[in-house]
Order: sequence, then structure tokens, then C-alpha cells
Amino acid sequence: GQSLEQPSEVTAVEGAIVQINCTYQTSGFYGLSWYQQHDGGAPTFLSYNALDGLEETGRFSSFLSRSDSYGYLLLQELQMKDSASYFCAAKANSGYALNFGKGTSLLVTP
Amino acid sequence: DGGITQSPKYLFRKEGQNVTLSCEQNLNHDAMYWYRQDPGQGLRLIYYSQIVNDFQKGDIAEGYSVSREKKESFPLTVTSAQKNPTAFYLCASTGLGNTGELFFGEGSRLTVL
Repeated sequence: GQSLEQPSEVTAVEGAIVQINCTYQTSGFYGLSWYQQHDGGAPTFLSYNALDGLEETGRFSSFLSRSDSYGYLLLQELQMKDSASYFCAAKANSGYALNFGKGTSLLVTP
Repeated sequence: DGGITQSPKYLFRKEGQNVTLSCEQNLNHDAMYWYRQDPGQGLRLIYYSQIVNDFQKGDIAEGYSVSREKKESFPLTVTSAQKNPTAFYLCASTGLGNTGELFFGEGSRLTVL
């Protein structure tokens, strides 16, 4: 089977840094993706890690440790517009489909 | 502009009726997917297709059917056999390759009355 675990909710203050963790159990693991979804909207792609290490894209960074089956999304200089749900998703050898975690609801407060 | 178009955005249906959700993409992507999302939940895979005239069941295919007669189109039919069809349905596509990036449509929200 395949499963991804991430916290259900996180709250942080505007301007701060927040880390959203994701642990996975995926046979034939290829890589870990992160998506952002605002209420009622479609998920949008943030990042993808196929190899161990840190990937940086502007205020967002993503990390992967294949040996620990663990990754995280790091959001810096938080803005109110970052309030959204964040999903980790694993790509496996069963095809090109992604398996998603249940999502982390991030609330950014003033 | 290139993208994925889903229609209708909102749909109401009576119990016992089949309904078909449309998904069209002009990104020249080979692979297309249907996901279902329930409130406070992640995305669950219904069906996916990597090539025309071929598709595979995902984790929750029961009560759903699809077709892939054209590269651009991947319609999903929610049949009366689906016990709890009220949900937000998302279509996505991607090119072949290990990028981990799916391009999503804006979704179709189905409510069964």
C-alpha cells in the first residue's frame, strides 16, 4: 500500500517561517511533490524532489530524504495569501499517477 | 492559452442518474487523470490514462467510467452505482517524464440531491 502522513493544521504569523512535514510509505518511490490549494480552487504545483536534498524556489523550499522516507516544505517570509492547504504527493512505479496526502491547512495570522 | 478545461463547474443530479464530466486539454500531454476530493480530504485517484484508448483504474474506480478516444479529451462518467458521488472532481494532465508536476483543471463540483 501507499500512504503519506502530514499534519492536519498549522498556524503561523505573517513574516515568519513554517515547515510542513510529510512522511511516506510508497513502494517504488520516484519522488515527492508539493501542491498548494486555496479554498474552492485547483491545486497548483510548487515543487518536486526526485533526489535527496533541498530545492529552493523563491520563498518556498522543499527537502527530501529518501533514506528516512521524509520530506518537508519550508515557507519563508509568510504572507496572508499563503493561507491555503498544502499537499505532499508521491510518485511511484505504478505509473505516472501521484498519490496525495490528506493535506495541511496553513493559517497565516497578522 | 494552453490549459485544462473542465465542465460544468457546478452540477446537480438526482439519485439514480448518470452524469458525465468533461475534461479537455490543449497542452499536448499524453497522461490524464481524474481525482476526487471530499471536504478536508486529500485527492483520491479514480482513473488515469497514459495513452489514447488505454486507461487504468485508480484507488476508487468503482461506480465510475472513463474513455480516452482522443489525446485531448478524458471524460468521466459518474454512474448510479457510485454510492456517494457528491464531491469535487479534478482533472489533471502531464507530459511523460519524471517531473512530478500535474496540471489541474478548475474542477467540477457535483451535488446529488
